[in-house]
Amino acid sequence: NAGVMQNPRHLVRRRGQEARLRCSPMKGHSHVYWYRQLPEEGLKFMVYLQKENIIDESGMPKERFSAEFPKEGPSILRIQQVVRGDSAAYFCASSTLQGLNTEAFFGQGTRLTVV
Amino acid sequence: SQELEQSPQSLIVQEGKNLTINCTSSKTLYGLYWYKQKYGEGLIFLMMLQKGGEEKSHEKITAKLDEKKQQSSLHITASQPSHAGIYLCGAEPHNAGNMLTFGGGTRLMVKP
Repeated sequence: NAGVMQNPRHLVRRRGQEARLRCSPMKGHSHVYWYRQLPEEGLKFMVYLQKENIIDESGMPKERFSAEFPKEGPSILRIQQVVRGDSAAYFCASSTLQGLNTEAFFGQGTRLTVV
Repeated sequence: SQELEQSPQSLIVQEGKNLTINCTSSKTLYGLYWYKQKYGEGLIFLMMLQKGGEEKSHEKITAKLDEKKQQSSLHITASQPSHAGIYLCGAEPHNAGNMLTFGGGTRLMVKP
């Protein structure tokens, strides 16, 4: 049973380009969470999704950022018109149920560098 | 919003020594998670604590939850170089699932 798979592991984008980060949850997990870890800062929650639904996006910037978790395929975090401040490690976590004694397993992260 | 404060922020210990990392919450704790992150890598789940007074152990790592103090501690016995990394505590702000709030992390170095 593979863990949470994120790709790419490293992504370099020029300012103004789009970045697409993918996350395949663990088998049997239908809850996906995206977090961002900025350099020298802590890990911050961005968005929580279930299949085809955004449950909570309170931590996601209102502009340029979007996330989806389609019925088939991985969850995608999309950043349009990237800026240098978007450079960070983006982590995805998945779980079987919402809260209540469930463990969230994290992927290895995607390190985005905007040049 | 809930805030988690970890102390110390960084720690250097000699191999074989014991150490404790603390995580204090500004609000009621509904669930407390401990993760380890190796430099430049992902998070490894260590333990989850839910009830006041709960204590869990995994190999040489023990974590406790003090609900009244809104605090958790992570204790490593006889530290080894393999314990080096960043230890992060995360909490569910209002029993709302795994939308965790994380502390700033404790950077641990173990000198051989």
